[in-house]
Amino acid sequence: EADIYQTPRYLVIGTGKKITLECSQTMGHDKMYWYQQDPGMELHLIHYSYGVNSTEKGDLSSESTVSRIRTEHFPLTLESARPSHTSQYLCASSGALVVRTGPSSNYGYTFGSGTRLTVV
Amino acid sequence: GEDVEQSLFLSVREGDSSVINCTYTDSSSTYLYWYKQEPGAGLQLLTYIFSNMDMKQDQRLTVLLNKKDKHLSLRIADTQTGDSAIYFCAETKGGSQGNLIFGKGTKLSVKP
Repeated sequence: EADIYQTPRYLVIGTGKKITLECSQTMGHDKMYWYQQDPGMELHLIHYSYGVNSTEKGDLSSESTVSRIRTEHFPLTLESARPSHTSQYLCASSGALVVRTGPSSNYGYTFGSGTRLTVV
Repeated sequence: GEDVEQSLFLSVREGDSSVINCTYTDSSSTYLYWYKQEPGAGLQLLTYIFSNMDMKQDQRLTVLLNKKDKHLSLRIADTQTGDSAIYFCAETKGGSQGNLIFGKGTKLSVKP
């Protein structure tokens, strides 16, 4: 079934470690996004991509980096994690309108389940 | 001011109607969206409305759009405890191909 997947769901790591959060989608969507979500709920766009070899910085400055070598894959990397990076990270994708059954549709974005990162 | 504004909290009793309000700024937004986020999960598209519509009803959900005032609302009839979640309003910035701009989210608490 077409979907978007994030791994890991939960991650606890020590300060200074390098980490990569994975995001893959099987919908063939061109656009992909990374959001950082505060404990207070607000979403902050930190990176997005229009397609292969395209990466853009979002509204919130972030020390993370992203790459888009394949359409389906949009990993986010932190070279040296710090406690201030502790947050929920959400990946999303969007593409051309496709009719799909079920309660959701392909209007707007499709989100992954998120990665909750804790840096100690 | 903020692009998309929502009140942060709403508390209702089970069986009552819930109304979550949102104001947006971009008059060129083609679609407006409501997303639902349950605890520990990502956002799920709940419903959407085209900008040329005033109202859309889908089972217990009713979306009202006032383009003149740039006001969007989501009404949940017969609210259930399973409706407890965070609800995000979103507009499309810069036309239908633009990025979504999300509000800060409204946390709906449903008391039994």
